[in-house]
Amino acid sequence: DSGVTQTPKHLITATGQRVTLRCSPRSGDLSVYWYQQSLDQGLQFLIQYYNGEERAKGNILERFSAQQFPDLHSELNLSSLELGDSALYFCASSPQGANTEAFFGQGTRLTVV
Amino acid sequence: GENVEQHPSTLSVQEGDSAVIKCTYSDSASNYFPWYKQELGKGPQLIIDIRSNVGEKKDQRIAVTLNKTAKHFSLHITETQPEDSAVYFCAASKEGYQKVTFGTGTKLQVIP
Repeated sequence: DSGVTQTPKHLITATGQRVTLRCSPRSGDLSVYWYQQSLDQGLQFLIQYYNGEERAKGNILERFSAQQFPDLHSELNLSSLELGDSALYFCASSPQGANTEAFFGQGTRLTVV
Repeated sequence: GENVEQHPSTLSVQEGDSAVIKCTYSDSASNYFPWYKQELGKGPQLIIDIRSNVGEKKDQRIAVTLNKTAKHFSLHITETQPEDSAVYFCAASKEGYQKVTFGTGTKLQVIP
């Protein structure tokens, strides 16, 4: 168990809908990262927050947004969903920045039908 | 931005043999290179990492080597076991930047 909790584990929704994925980082970790992993694909970096502030952005679509709350949990919002958004979404946390070990959650498997 | 290439994409070895996975990176300023193992249905987990001030690091059957001049680093697994079967990702990042760039992954199969 990495200590990072992601909910829900599975999500099935229709095209055009909006969903929210939730991540609780390890106790004390200030950085939260979101990644997208499509079938047989690598890990695509979406966005990173550090202590409530956005620190880095990857290839995150405009339909996607995220935030980190004062208690350090984070949410990834995906709207106007398309079939191609079906993927595993991982959250990871680390004590500080990118040059330290990241601890990954179990992921949320999103299926858009 | 940083680009990390990883080879091979799939690798099959007999139990007890060695496995080598190679990665190259493009940004010479990158100085942290972690390797993650992802088992089926789980999130990636760090297995070993190396920083640019070190050329090699070992942890039991796992070792990582780094060639800064050539901008490539490799994962070596010796005496492979069936439980080593998984997808392995290399990654690169640099001090002061928050983005970690991952390779495309290597699916390792260890045949008993």
